Amino acid sequence: EAQVTQNPRYLITVTGKKLTVTCSQNMNHEYMSWYRQDPGLGLRQIYYSMNVEVTDKGDVPEGYKVSRKEKRNFPLILESPSPNQTSLYFCASSLARTTYEQYFGPGTRLTVT
Amino acid sequence: AQSVSQHNHHVILSEAASLELGCNYSYGGTVNLFWYVQYPGQHLQLLLKYFSGDPLVKGIKGFEAEFIKSKFSFNLRKPSVQWSDTAEYFCAVNFNRDDKIIFGKGTRLHILP
Repeated sequence: EAQVTQNPRYLITVTGKKLTVTCSQNMNHEYMSWYRQDPGLGLRQIYYSMNVEVTDKGDVPEGYKVSRKEKRNFPLILESPSPNQTSLYFCASSLARTTYEQYFGPGTRLTVT
Repeated sequence: AQSVSQHNHHVILSEAASLELGCNYSYGGTVNLFWYVQYPGQHLQLLLKYFSGDPLVKGIKGFEAEFIKSKFSFNLRKPSVQWSDTAEYFCAVNFNRDDKIIFGKGTRLHILP
């Protein structure tokens, strides 16, 4: 089944404790992206990747890092999480750039205390 | 700066009512347009998309949208809503085939049975 998976689905952590949210897709998609969803703000793009070893900042990249060492994986790294990063995070992939349908993962709900 | 506006944050309708959700975007040349839906507790999925051609686009579940270039709009419509249409709807725009996609803040639709 074609899908985007994210782990963990729920995470509660404390300020400053590094964490990684994994994202994996099995559709051989070139384009992958991370979004955060906050009430009243919709979805905002954090980082995106057009292909392996090619990543770029979205609209809200501060406090986040990403890497794309393999085509299927696109982990999101929070080196020193802060409470304002409490949010619902979605990973998405598409065949190429943004002209194609994006397939979204199930989301990761992160709480930073 | 490029932006996407959804006029209605929260819409409440009765079953069988007609629906129109507004979406406007800032001027930005060539656009690719999308509507996504997020059912309660689920990830986003594509309803419909417009790249070129016929400005009236039909999507899944009886939804359609009309691209009006002169008004920078891409409104979503459905002639008769069902209780199962209760969800949050997001308009999204890709400008000039660059690498980003910008989402509106979303419209929560609540259908009364």
